Amino acid sequence: EDQVTQSPEALRLQEGESSSLNCSYTVSGLRGLFWYRQDPGKGPEFLFTLYSAGEEKEKERLKATLTKKESFLHITAPRPEDSATYLCAVSSGSRLTFGEGTQLTVNP
Amino acid sequence: GAVVSQHPSWVICKSGTSVKIECRSLDFQATTMFWYRQFPKQSLMLMATSNEGSKATYEQGVEKDKFLINHASLTLSTLTVTSAHPEDSSFYICSALPGGGDEKLFFGSGTQLSVL
Repeated sequence: EDQVTQSPEALRLQEGESSSLNCSYTVSGLRGLFWYRQDPGKGPEFLFTLYSAGEEKEKERLKATLTKKESFLHITAPRPEDSATYLCAVSSGSRLTFGEGTQLTVNP
Repeated sequence: GAVVSQHPSWVICKSGTSVKIECRSLDFQATTMFWYRQFPKQSLMLMATSNEGSKATYEQGVEKDKFLINHASLTLSTLTVTSAHPEDSSFYICSALPGGGDEKLFFGSGTQLSVL
């Protein structure tokens, strides 16, 4: 059974204070690792897909990296509007398995 | 990116009534759609997988007679919560898979259901 564990559960940062979110996974045959952003009362918004160890993707202040056991979402110089819950998910076939998410709060 | 429209955004109903939630893929055809349930501060729990023109596949513990799913076309799936009770109150989210080898899911904006 696929498993995804995200840490920390919650993270508070000051504006401009860079940090990383972790997603550890066990999966039988990774077909993709996905990062989503979810705002309160909304559906998840797609951020990145990573397919193989060593792969990196960037979008504005976010950078996602992937190893054989975990993925990191690096946030550089975050702003208050980056506050959200960040979800990690893995696919090994016909479904996505989601982690519990990291709730990020960026204070001005 | 692909757009998935979910309606209504929120609904309040009396116990015992049925509620229908619609999920549409606006600019692509989705052979597969997924329905999730999310409780406050928890992650998404897959309820069922729906393929166009065939019966939905339900996850263990999800009552198929209570949560009726219809995927009649390549752009529309519906979830009907039958005889709703307060414990069915939750945030329901649909997602659609564009296909073509990319397993990236696109999500609707969710429906907050409150059963009184």
